[in-house]
Amino acid sequence: DAGVTQSPTHLIKTRGQQVTLRCSPISGHKSVSWYQQVLGQGPQFIFQYYEKEERGRGNFPDRFSARQFPNYSSELNVNALLLGDSALYLCASSLAAGGYEQYFGPGTRLTVT
Amino acid sequence: AQSVAQPEDQVNVAEGNPLTVKCTYSVSGNPYLFWYVQYPNRGLQFLLKYITGDNLVKGSYGFEAEFNKSQTSFHLKKPSALVSDSALYFCAVTSGTYKYIFGTGTRLKVLA
Repeated sequence: DAGVTQSPTHLIKTRGQQVTLRCSPISGHKSVSWYQQVLGQGPQFIFQYYEKEERGRGNFPDRFSARQFPNYSSELNVNALLLGDSALYLCASSLAAGGYEQYFGPGTRLTVT
Repeated sequence: AQSVAQPEDQVNVAEGNPLTVKCTYSVSGNPYLFWYVQYPNRGLQFLLKYITGDNLVKGSYGFEAEFNKSQTSFHLKKPSALVSDSALYFCAVTSGTYKYIFGTGTRLKVLA
């Protein structure tokens, strides 16, 4: 089975622009979570979606939004990009929400200049 | 509030020696505990988890972890380290809700 896939792999944007990152979960997984990982730190939780509904949100500004589609894939949108948004964005899928192990994609490296 | 502490930024161990990577946690209610490994420019790979039951859990690549409720610890262990085990290791905890909290990571360096 294919693992979690993310696109694009790398992205360079300018301050103030908007970006959309995409994620396809492992087949059969209904939950997708998004994380931001800054160099030298652990992943920081942004969102979790389960059965197309937002189940939780981390301490990120409203510039960050996400959605989950009927096929359980997901998009993360970030508006009005700041230099500080430069990071590795990780998507993780799990069978369901709450207590299950998560399987991570390779990430999207976002650089904001 | 949930939190995870990995007190060591880096652990060095000689190949063939046992290794331990430390993790302590704080969570309301019963913890769900996980270890992940991250290789350079890669996403995180799941190693093992503790939800309930035996305090010693076994995972991938010969790794195991010991849950200690009284010390709120979940240390990662391996009896004999390999050079290929060199990577960044993350401990994570959740109380069974949507939010997973990750530690800051411990870089393991296995010396040949």
